[in-house]
Amino acid sequence: AQSVTQPDIHITVSEGASLELRCNYSYGATPYLFWYVQSPGQGLQLLLKYFSGDTLVQGIKGFEAEFKRSQSSFNLRKPSVHWSDAAEYFCAVAFNTDKLIFGTGTRLQVFP
Amino acid sequence: ETGVTQSPTHLIKTRGQQVTLRCSSQSGHNTVSWYQQALGQGPQFIFQYYREEENGRGNFPPRFSGLQFPNYSSELNVNALELDDSALYLCASSLRTYNEQFFGPGTRLTVL
Repeated sequence: AQSVTQPDIHITVSEGASLELRCNYSYGATPYLFWYVQSPGQGLQLLLKYFSGDTLVQGIKGFEAEFKRSQSSFNLRKPSVHWSDAAEYFCAVAFNTDKLIFGTGTRLQVFP
Repeated sequence: ETGVTQSPTHLIKTRGQQVTLRCSSQSGHNTVSWYQQALGQGPQFIFQYYREEENGRGNFPPRFSGLQFPNYSSELNVNALELDDSALYLCASSLRTYNEQFFGPGTRLTVL
């Protein structure tokens, strides 16, 4: 079955430190890949997406993600985290449709 | 440009009751998808509507039903509410030919 794994449930970083959130998917073909962010009590905001082409994708708020086909991964990175980045982050995939399959999320906590 | 809106924001029901949640899609979008997000989980796909027809359904029982109207707004109806139906219900709109969904803020449903 198609699935998305976010192995880190909770990550804590200091403000200004770098960040990497992991995401792996299981499926034979390359899906469409997304990262969303959700602040408490809010809906989901799209950070970035990968459909094809350059495997390093730039998004909003200084985030980027790299697609690695050999590892079935799409990890999210940010070189310097700000306190306002504290939120829940969801990786999602879509396989030849626009119906999203989400991971269970990673909660990011930022210390000053 | 108006984003995706959902009503009501919060709702409390008792087990066995019925509930209707509403979603207005983003201007120009013709597709609406509904997701259920239980506490501490990623969103789960319920179903999608395209041009007033159901266009795919996730693993949810028939007591979850929906409608899409000519203006592309949508309703999610849940009959015979169960305690496990307590969740954040997210609506997302998109253009049928694109794989980018825009989410509303959600409706928080509590079933007592």
